[in-house]
Amino acid sequence: GNSVTQMEGPVTLSEEAFLTINCTYTATGYPSLFWYVQYPGEGLQLLLKATKADDKGSNKGFEATYRKETTSFHLEKGSVQVSDSAVYFCALSVMEYGNKLVFGAGTILRVKS
Amino acid sequence: DGGITQSPKYLFRKEGQNVTLSCEQNLNHDAMYWYRQDPGQGLRLIYYSQIVNDFQKGDIAEGYSVSREKKESFPLTVTSAQKNPTAFYLCASSMAGFYGYTFGSGTRLTVV
Repeated sequence: GNSVTQMEGPVTLSEEAFLTINCTYTATGYPSLFWYVQYPGEGLQLLLKATKADDKGSNKGFEATYRKETTSFHLEKGSVQVSDSAVYFCALSVMEYGNKLVFGAGTILRVKS
Repeated sequence: DGGITQSPKYLFRKEGQNVTLSCEQNLNHDAMYWYRQDPGQGLRLIYYSQIVNDFQKGDIAEGYSVSREKKESFPLTVTSAQKNPTAFYLCASSMAGFYGYTFGSGTRLTVV
């Protein structure tokens, strides 16, 4: 089946630290991969995406590279800010599943000043 | 500006009452979705619709109902049959293809 596994949180970092949130997937077809961010009390916002192997998605200093050989899409940021504190969701979609998104459980990120 | 509007943001209902959550989009998206989010958990798909007048059950459809009479609107009714309705409900829409979803800001439903 289709599934996404994310590292468990919460992840607590100091401001300007390096961030990695691991995400691995299993998929029945060739998936597109996404990272979404959710700030407290709000809906989800698309952070970045990648649609084929070796593509790198990037936005607001965050990056993730589609690694087909390791079925991974890890999220990274070189220097986090307090304003990055949120819940981060990794997700995939496959055409064989009607392009519906399959989400990971989410990882809480807390950044301390 | 285009987007998805969910209303109300907070909703309180007594146990045993049906309640309808509104979701409207002006993005001209064909597909719309309802998800449920519980504290500390991921998103679970309730219902989705890929075209007007058609919808399919997701993973946790029991106790919920939907309609899709217009492209812009996809209301969700939480019925008295839903055993544990208190949750945060998210509506989303998408274009055909691998573009991901646009989400509304959510409705927090509390049943007392």
